[in-house]
Amino acid sequence: AQSVTQLGSHVSVSEGALVLLRCNYSSSVPPYLFWYVQYPNQGLQLLLKYTSAATLVKGINGFEAEFKKSETSFHLTKPSAHMSDAAEYFCAVSAPQGAQKLVFGQGTRLTINP
Amino acid sequence: EPEVTQTPSHQVTQMGQEVILRCVPISNHLYFYWYRQILGQKVEFLVSFYNNEISEKSEIFDDQFSVERPDGSNFTLKIRSTKLEDSAMYFCASSGAGDNSPLHFGNGTRLTVT
Repeated sequence: AQSVTQLGSHVSVSEGALVLLRCNYSSSVPPYLFWYVQYPNQGLQLLLKYTSAATLVKGINGFEAEFKKSETSFHLTKPSAHMSDAAEYFCAVSAPQGAQKLVFGQGTRLTINP
Repeated sequence: EPEVTQTPSHQVTQMGQEVILRCVPISNHLYFYWYRQILGQKVEFLVSFYNNEISEKSEIFDDQFSVERPDGSNFTLKIRSTKLEDSAMYFCASSGAGDNSPLHFGNGTRLTVT
């Protein structure tokens, strides 16, 4: 079974500052890991995914995440926040077989201060 | 870029009524899904559908729920007799073949049961 914990339901950073959204997972098998973003009144958009290749994964909009097996973490980062990054971010895990059955974290709402 | 489209964006219904939520997946995708998000809670997997049959379902997906692909383009979720606790955002998603194929989500239908 898989589960995901996102630390911090709300994160607020200043424009230009580092964005760090935390995700820890639990999985009985080597996991696939994902970050999705949801802008207001829109669906979930895939930011990036880890599927057992390179541990540092680069995604869209300047985001990246690093898979750390020893820490069971998959934190999302962006060096410099833009106002347009304000959204809800979801970490998700799945097993390699049945990779489309995602187990989501509770989400982190990112606010960008001018 | 092709999109998953869902209609309606908001559906209000009375308890005990039947509702049908509609989705048009991306045209060359083979796998179809419904997820839901109760306000303030995690996004949860409901059901996956492939080759005209359910491939997996969660414990939430009881006999009150059904899915159908009535033609070559639509994918529907029916709730036979709605309950107050069915109020949620329902997301349709689709993906191509292979475990590496990411899910593409629609914008969701907000179902309100009164």
